[in-house]
Amino acid sequence: DTAVSQTPKYLVTQMGNDKSIKCEQNLGHDTMYWYKQDSKKFLKIMFSYNNKELIINETVPNRFSPKSPDKAHLNLHINSLELGDSAVYFCASSPRMGGSEAFFGQGTRLTVV
Amino acid sequence: GESVGLHLPTLSVQEGDNSIINCAYSNSASDYFIWYKQESGKGPQFIIDIRSNMDKRQGQRVTVLLNKTVKHLSLQIAATQPGDSAVYFCAERWEGANNLFFGTGTRLTVIP
Repeated sequence: DTAVSQTPKYLVTQMGNDKSIKCEQNLGHDTMYWYKQDSKKFLKIMFSYNNKELIINETVPNRFSPKSPDKAHLNLHINSLELGDSAVYFCASSPRMGGSEAFFGQGTRLTVV
Repeated sequence: GESVGLHLPTLSVQEGDNSIINCAYSNSASDYFIWYKQESGKGPQFIIDIRSNMDKRQGQRVTVLLNKTVKHLSLQIAATQPGDSAVYFCAERWEGANNLFFGTGTRLTVIP
C-alpha cells in the first residue's frame, strides 16, 4: 500500500498552461504539505495544510494554489505556468503540525517548455 | 569518509567503511531535527530524528549527533553498503513552526 501517492509522476506542458497535481495519503494524518525541489536538490516548503488551516510560504507565487477536498487529499493547482516552475514537486503528510516524521510521496517531475 | 555538508555536497566512501555526513543548521531555536534519505527518482525517506534536548540518538546502523553550541548535526552510518548511496538531507523544525526546513543535501556514493 502506498502511504502518500501523487499523480502524475511526470508532467510536461507548455508555458501559459494551467495544470494540477493530485496527492492522497492513506495514513490518517492530519497535516499535508507541498514541497518544491529544484535542480540542485534543494527542498523548499510551499504550503502546509491542517484541518482547513492553510499556511502559505510567502515566497510562493499566487499562481500556485492548494486545494483540499478532504483530510486525505491535497491537490496543487498551478496557473499560467512559467519555465521557472520546472521542478520536482513533493507532497508529504505528518501526524500533526510541525512536520514531525513527514512521509513523502514519490514526487511529480514538472517540465515546462 | 566525512563531508562538511553545505561546503562539500558529495561524499564517496568504500563499502564497509563508516560514513559521516554533516549539517550546519540555521536556527538556534530549532527544537527538532530529522535526517532523510532520498534515492534517485524517489521521495525523501525518514531515517532518524532527534529532539533538541538530546545529544545523541542511535538507530539501526545509524547514529545522529547534535551539537547545539555550534548548531551542528551529523549522521553516522556504520558499515556503509551500496544501498546507502543516496542524497541525505538534514531538516530542522524551528520552534513553533508548522513545517520542516531542509538543508542543501549531501550525495553519498558507496564504492563497491
